[in-house]
Amino acid sequence: EIQLQESGPGLVKPSQSLSLTCSVTGYTITSGYDWSWIRKFPGNKMEWMGYISYSGSTNYNPSLKSRISITRDTSKNQFFLQLNSVTTEDTATYYCARWGYSSPFAYWGQGTLVTVSS
Amino acid sequence: IQMTQSPSLLSASVGDRVTLSCKAGQNINNYLAWYQQKLGEAPKLLIYNANSLQTGIPSRFSGSGSGTDYTLTISSLQPEDVATYFCQQYNSWTAFGGGTKLELK
Repeated sequence: EIQLQESGPGLVKPSQSLSLTCSVTGYTITSGYDWSWIRKFPGNKMEWMGYISYSGSTNYNPSLKSRISITRDTSKNQFFLQLNSVTTEDTATYYCARWGYSSPFAYWGQGTLVTVSS
Repeated sequence: IQMTQSPSLLSASVGDRVTLSCKAGQNINNYLAWYQQKLGEAPKLLIYNANSLQTGIPSRFSGSGSGTDYTLTISSLQPEDVATYFCQQYNSWTAFGGGTKLELK
């Protein structure tokens, strides 16, 4: 069974960087699919942030392009999110999920709440 | 592509037939998914490609629509269906609707 699990700090100060890890079990991230980060803001708005593909290429939401980086450690079957220069508007629940071409997000992590506050 | 869900809040009774709407800003060629999210849980995929039921999802859930207008129907509402429901298009990159919160009357 494919499982994804997010981890990382729950509190980040404004202007600092947010860093999260997604650990994947039951599937090797280099075997296929695109490995995404999605966030849900207070009030329910959901935003796709970007992905790293099985081959290592990346694509980012243009609204975040200057601040976001998604990388991976294939030896640990993990991928990572870094979001720079955060503000209080980046407070959200962050999810990692598996995405395929012309398909929905069939597998999600449980999500992790990140609060940006001084 | 802008995705608009309506209503934002829906109250219904157990056994009711419930219909949720999702409208896309342009034709999304049936590349439309519906998710159920309960408090504190990850979103669960219910329907993909507008009308295909995900494995393990009860048959009371169904999806329909085409072009820009799509519908999720629960044929007989159960207490465990209380949740927020999201639609998502994956025809052109991806975008989510704002959600419909379904509660019991």
